[in-house]
Amino acid sequence: DSGVTQTPKHLITATGQRVTLRCSPRSGDLSVYWYQQSLDQGLQFLIQYYNGEERAKGNILERFSAQQFPDLHSELNLSSLELGDSALYFCASSPPGAVKTQYFGPGTRLLVL
Amino acid sequence: KNEVEQSPQNLTAQEGEFITINCSYSVGISALHWLQQHPGGGIVSLFMLSSGKKKHGRLIATINIQEKHSSLHITASHPRDSAVYICAVRLIQGAQKLVFGQGTRLTINP
Repeated sequence: DSGVTQTPKHLITATGQRVTLRCSPRSGDLSVYWYQQSLDQGLQFLIQYYNGEERAKGNILERFSAQQFPDLHSELNLSSLELGDSALYFCASSPPGAVKTQYFGPGTRLLVL
Repeated sequence: KNEVEQSPQNLTAQEGEFITINCSYSVGISALHWLQQHPGGGIVSLFMLSSGKKKHGRLIATINIQEKHSSLHITASHPRDSAVYICAVRLIQGAQKLVFGQGTRLTINP
């Protein structure tokens, strides 16, 4: 158990819908990272937050947005869902410092029908 | 060409064999991570390296910064080592995002 929690574990929804994925980092970790793992693209970095502020952005679509709240939990919002958004979405957290190990949550498996 | 290349893509071996998985990258990095992803999907961070060699149990990871190459070795392999092993690099430029290799699927037969 990495100490990072993600909810829900599974999510099935329809095209055009909007969903919210939630992540709680390990105690003391200030950074939260979101990743997408699809069958054809592998793992891709989406976005990073550090202590409530956006720190880095990767291949995140405009239909997707994220935020980190004062209690450091983070949410990833996916809207106008398409079939191709079906994937595993991982959240990871890391402690303060320049280069630190990332601890991954169990992931949310999203299926868009 | 991908910034991070792993080889082999698939590897099947017998229990007890010595396993080597390779990772080459073409960009400047501040660190390299080895991750393990089990069939259930969960990802575990095995190592983070910026130089030299690290060992944890039967796993050894090495990195050669000049050659832009890293290897993950498993000694006395066991069926429970069966998983996908993923190399990821943290870029020097472009903040702190990780760029991932495509993964190596390892199967250890009893």
